Amino acid sequence: DTEVTQTPKHLVMGMTNKKSLKCEQHMGHRAMYWYKQKAKKPPELMFVYSYEKLSINESVPSRFSPECPNSSLLNLHLHALQPEDSALYLCASSHSGGNTGELFFGEGSRLTVL
Amino acid sequence: DAKTTQPTSMDCAEGRAANLPCNHSTISGNEYVYWYRQIHSQGPQYIIHGLKNNETNEMASLIITEDRKSSTLILPHATLRDTAVYYCIVRGRGSTLGRLYFGRGTQLTVWP
Repeated sequence: DTEVTQTPKHLVMGMTNKKSLKCEQHMGHRAMYWYKQKAKKPPELMFVYSYEKLSINESVPSRFSPECPNSSLLNLHLHALQPEDSALYLCASSHSGGNTGELFFGEGSRLTVL
Repeated sequence: DAKTTQPTSMDCAEGRAANLPCNHSTISGNEYVYWYRQIHSQGPQYIIHGLKNNETNEMASLIITEDRKSSTLILPHATLRDTAVYYCIVRGRGSTLGRLYFGRGTQLTVWP
């Protein structure tokens, strides 16, 4: 199994809603990532988890709250978002430590904030 | 991590080789060159990476110049399914885990 699975594929939410994006991998990877991608722009790194601990937060606003309940799962909790947060949210995973390894990306969750 | 420069767009005829250049003139000795691609509305896909020597896998070949200031990704027989944005990324061994920074990339269009 070389897949990273993201759910939901599409999400529409209001600015007062609370929702979550989910990501799952069963490749035994110990590093997981969230990226944000706006239309016609490259992906931007948001968070990195290594061995289920948050190791990188790229100064992301607190309305985005990541969570790594176990080594296979990564969540992104969303609260009080703004319309400009509408984007494709990509999850990725990689083997821990060896940073010459590749990142495996999911297909993304497309978020629309009304 | 060093920055990269790529052409904004390129075209290629189906069945011909696609040669995608990348400049990374500030690359340091311990930094690798990675290539990813992103087909429309999908997640990025790893293609290949290298340090000094040329590399080849089932998807592509990577040619790195001797001074390592530039590289070329070669898709030997491009197909319509290779139409995508191709990202050249420089990443250091030992650099902070996960700091894979994407530049603007090259939009490759393969035409019949």
